[in-house]
Amino acid sequence: QQPVQSPQAVILREGEDAVINCSSSKALYSVHWYRQKHGEAPVFLMILLKGGEQKGHDKISASFNEKKQQSSLYLTASQLSYSGTYFCGTPRWSNYQLIWGAGTKLIIKP
Amino acid sequence: DAGVIQSPRHEVTEMGQEVTLRCKPISGHDYLFWYRQTMMRGLELLIYFNNNVPIDDSGMPEDRFSAKMPNASFSTLKIQPSEPRDSAVYFCASSIAGELFFGEGSRLTVL
Repeated sequence: QQPVQSPQAVILREGEDAVINCSSSKALYSVHWYRQKHGEAPVFLMILLKGGEQKGHDKISASFNEKKQQSSLYLTASQLSYSGTYFCGTPRWSNYQLIWGAGTKLIIKP
Repeated sequence: DAGVIQSPRHEVTEMGQEVTLRCKPISGHDYLFWYRQTMMRGLELLIYFNNNVPIDDSGMPEDRFSAKMPNASFSTLKIQPSEPRDSAVYFCASSIAGELFFGEGSRLTVL
């Protein structure tokens, strides 16, 4: 079952904050986040495991609530370089078989 | 260290022709994946290998698609015969400890 991402797209001014959500109808034990810039390959951001932990990557952090079967990605004081499409991936049978959300397109304007 | 290397970067071919996409994973990575990305279907896992052995090919669309990994440093994805609906960006990725490292992709256009 494909995870559901929201919103589908968001437009921000540089310096503003954004939250991207990823939810699943099945129990999760991990959530994987990637960013893909236009015309480029997806790039790894972080993996979150069971335990409700938060992780950080520069000014990008994420939380994982396995009871609610969802994860949220937080982008603080967004920079132009944050523009791109953000994908969450959830395991199908293992961490190596990811099912990907449809993506959230983030546009940062100066 | 060089990343995942894919070739060709762009391929334009006619329906019915054979297409071979190539991938060199990052040295030391024990997992290799082939993904397909389209606007309509998003990012789809086609097949993945562990230590050169195919583990799951349930994502391969049909028998026209085949993939091999003859050694730890090389993999191919073959489409024969190709059809217009196969047009997509094909990504190869290698992995260690769950983190995927993607190649730059091969953009395939089948006319």
